[in-house]
Amino acid sequence: NAGVTQTPKFQVLKTGQSMTLQCAQDMNHNSMYWYRQDPGMGLRLIYYSASEGTTDKGEVPNGYNVSRLNKREFSLRLESAAPSQTSVYFCASSSQTDTGELFFGEGSRLTVL
Amino acid sequence: GESVGLHLPTLSVQEGDNSIINCAYSNSASDYFIWYKQESGKGPQFIIDIRSNMDKRQGQRVTVLLNKTVKHLSLQIAATQPGDSAVYFCAERAGYGGSQGNLIFGKGTKLSVKP
Repeated sequence: NAGVTQTPKFQVLKTGQSMTLQCAQDMNHNSMYWYRQDPGMGLRLIYYSASEGTTDKGEVPNGYNVSRLNKREFSLRLESAAPSQTSVYFCASSSQTDTGELFFGEGSRLTVL
Repeated sequence: GESVGLHLPTLSVQEGDNSIINCAYSNSASDYFIWYKQESGKGPQFIIDIRSNMDKRQGQRVTVLLNKTVKHLSLQIAATQPGDSAVYFCAERAGYGGSQGNLIFGKGTKLSVKP
């Protein structure tokens, strides 16, 4: 099994450009998450989807939108990228909402110039 | 507000020794804690979790201790191996939303294992 797959792995944007990070999981998990990780810091939750058809804001949602396309896929969109959004983005999934055991992808490194 | 922090940003141990990574939390109402391991260039990997109705939980070569009185969490790794070299994060449940996967992470401790 591939687990959680994120694309692209690297991306460079100019300020104001838009892009979408894609995430797919093949573990039949109900819940999916987007986190960002900045240097020397832990991960911070951007958005999550507890189940197919629902999405909710996390700790740092400003400047982002998400779409839970189906049970497998959860995308993160930056409509107008800013340098403050330079970060490593991690998608994760879990089988149910009563566990903190998340399965993470390998990350997408985004640089906004 | 809630915060999850670490006492030491780096820890260097000799191969074969035991490692202890510490974590402090500020929210006395926190009821669920998790440890993650992150190797360079990879996503975090779940190690072990513990709920607030427990003081100790053991896994394979790892033990998590929870001291609610002083709001302290620790991860003990027995017989540390070179493959244990990574950054270790403690995390607690965010307390909003219905998902236990809504986590607040600490800043991490880098563990280096010397051969």
